[in-house]
Amino acid sequence: GAGVSQSPSNKVTEKGKDVELRCDPISGHTALYWYRQSLGQGLEFLIYFQGNSAPDKSGLPSDRFSAERTGGSVSTLTIQRTQQEDSAVYLCASSLRSTGTSIYNEQFFGPGTRLTVL
Amino acid sequence: GENVEQHPSTLSVQEGDSAVIKCTYSDSASNYFPWYKQELGKRPQLIIDIRSNVGEKKDQRIAVTLNKTAKHFSLHITETQPEDSAVYFCAANGGYSTLTFGKGTMLLVSP
Repeated sequence: GAGVSQSPSNKVTEKGKDVELRCDPISGHTALYWYRQSLGQGLEFLIYFQGNSAPDKSGLPSDRFSAERTGGSVSTLTIQRTQQEDSAVYLCASSLRSTGTSIYNEQFFGPGTRLTVL
Repeated sequence: GENVEQHPSTLSVQEGDSAVIKCTYSDSASNYFPWYKQELGKRPQLIIDIRSNVGEKKDQRIAVTLNKTAKHFSLHITETQPEDSAVYFCAANGGYSTLTFGKGTMLLVSP
């Protein structure tokens, strides 16, 4: 079946502009994650959605970053007033429902969006 | 929150040799430890994972060991091949549904 998809694959923007990044998770996956991957760095957790529960926003680096998930499926990550340090690859992942500490399901990653802020 | 340290950052081996990547974690509540492989220009993919009720898990040429007392876990790849060249990430869950990743190890396997 179709995997996680993200768009655009590349985005070049000017400092101060707003950008929107889109993620389409695997159908039936209720958990959705956003990560940021900078050169030479690991995967930095940004935000986590699980079904209709309030998202875990603990990884968002500033109030310029926000995300929403409509209808429990597609998610959009928005970065306002972009800065050069926002340049990175933004990865989305989805998984089947995770319930507390007893069940873990593989996270399937999308191809990422490479954001370049000039 | 959880903190995961991964070593080494780069590892070069000859084809056929073994490779070992080590990770430590800080939160004793962590009970799920996956390993992801990311080939150049591609997305990360899960290669193996271990839960806290298991000390070792094998899948063909790869194995993972977990020492909960010392809070460290390791990835072992035997009989390495050039196609094993990639960046490998370890992660721990801190007892929750989100993962904290290490900074990655670039493995280079020379023919």
